[in-house]
Amino acid sequence: DAGVIQSPRHEVTEMGQEVTLRCKPISGHNSLFWYRQTMMRGLELLIYFNNNVPIDDSGMPEDRFSAKMPNASFSTLKIQPSEPRDSAVYFCASTLAGGVDTQYFGPGTRLTVL
Amino acid sequence: DAKTTQPPSMDCAEGRAANLPCNHSTISGNEYVYWYRQIHSQGPQYIIHGLKNNETNEMASLIITEDRKSSTLILPHATLRDTAVYYCIVREGGNEKLTFGTGTRLTIIP
Repeated sequence: DAGVIQSPRHEVTEMGQEVTLRCKPISGHNSLFWYRQTMMRGLELLIYFNNNVPIDDSGMPEDRFSAKMPNASFSTLKIQPSEPRDSAVYFCASTLAGGVDTQYFGPGTRLTVL
Repeated sequence: DAKTTQPPSMDCAEGRAANLPCNHSTISGNEYVYWYRQIHSQGPQYIIHGLKNNETNEMASLIITEDRKSSTLILPHATLRDTAVYYCIVREGGNEKLTFGTGTRLTIIP
């Protein structure tokens, strides 16, 4: 069984550029989460979706960040324009909604904004 | 969700049982205790969860006190691959969100 798939695994970009991170959840899972991890702030939830609908985006830091889930097997997190302080590891996770089921995390995307 | 308190770091000798404590004194009746770990540079990995009874799976055991205000994760025979940051999280049943604290950095000593 393939786990959560994220791409790219590493991204280096320059300040001001648009960055798009991609996530494919585990097949059959209907909840998807985007997290960001930094040394200063730890692991933070940015946004999550149930059945492709954004439920809680209170963790999205500002308007430069946006996330979409056009179908059950794909989600994107976009940063436009990127800034050096966006440098972090971004994780995607998926689960079956509504119970006590566990979240399964992807390997993460390490983003460096120069 | 209730707040949890964990020691920042612990060491354990390889082959011995690692006992990781967690305090969650404000836990409410419908909140579960979850444990995840994060091995360096990887995504967090689910270990175990429980409501009030002790739980055991192939990875670990979870002991929850009778008043539910604290719990202990037990790795029965620690190996070097168990070196990781361990997160204790309290989560309400049906609530999708996980709130990660700072966790305990467990180092297994050869």
